[in-house]
Amino acid sequence: TQLLEQSPQFLSIQEGENLTVYCNSSSVFSSLQWYRQEPGEGPVLLVTVVTGGEVKKLKRLTFQFGDARKDSSLHITAAQPGDTGLYLCAGAYGTYKYIFGTGTRLKVLA
Amino acid sequence: ETGVTQTPRHLVMGMTNKKSLKCEQHLGHNAMYWYKQSAKKPLELMFVYSLEERVENNSVPSRFSPECPNSSHLFLHLHTLQPEDSALYLCASSQGDRASQETQYFGPGTRLLVL
Repeated sequence: TQLLEQSPQFLSIQEGENLTVYCNSSSVFSSLQWYRQEPGEGPVLLVTVVTGGEVKKLKRLTFQFGDARKDSSLHITAAQPGDTGLYLCAGAYGTYKYIFGTGTRLKVLA
Repeated sequence: ETGVTQTPRHLVMGMTNKKSLKCEQHLGHNAMYWYKQSAKKPLELMFVYSLEERVENNSVPSRFSPECPNSSHLFLHLHTLQPEDSALYLCASSQGDRASQETQYFGPGTRLLVL
């Protein structure tokens, strides 16, 4: 059974701090996606990484795909209260197949 | 505009009731998905439809019955549910079927409580 483990599960930090969220698996994925979900809403795609070792930046967010395409990280620089939410990683394989991670709930305090 | 709408947003039902969840996508996509999101568990893929044909069924109990009458609409018919089926049910759509290259657009979900 494929599994994506995220860490940490919960994170509460002060505005301006940096943080990193990890997404790990023993399985290889053809791509990996990061989503953010806010209360009462569905997940919204932030980024898709496809190539092993790939790094993508989205303003203060930096995403990296592991060389072996089994793991990924999300780094947020100078977190802001607007970054608060549930962060989900999802591994894609084959056709229509997605495995979602266990989620990281982030709270940024002003 | 999210592009994917779901109704109802909240639903409370007894174990003997029959109800249906509705999803509509306004994006012209060809694939639609049902997911279940429970507390403390990862999002679980339930069903996938591509061009109105069911292409994935992840060992979902028969008390959940999907229907896709056209590429814009997706239903989830519920019958004789159990309390452990209480969860947020999310609908999503994507343009094509190659998971590695597709962006899934999610609706806001239906929060279901089974008493």
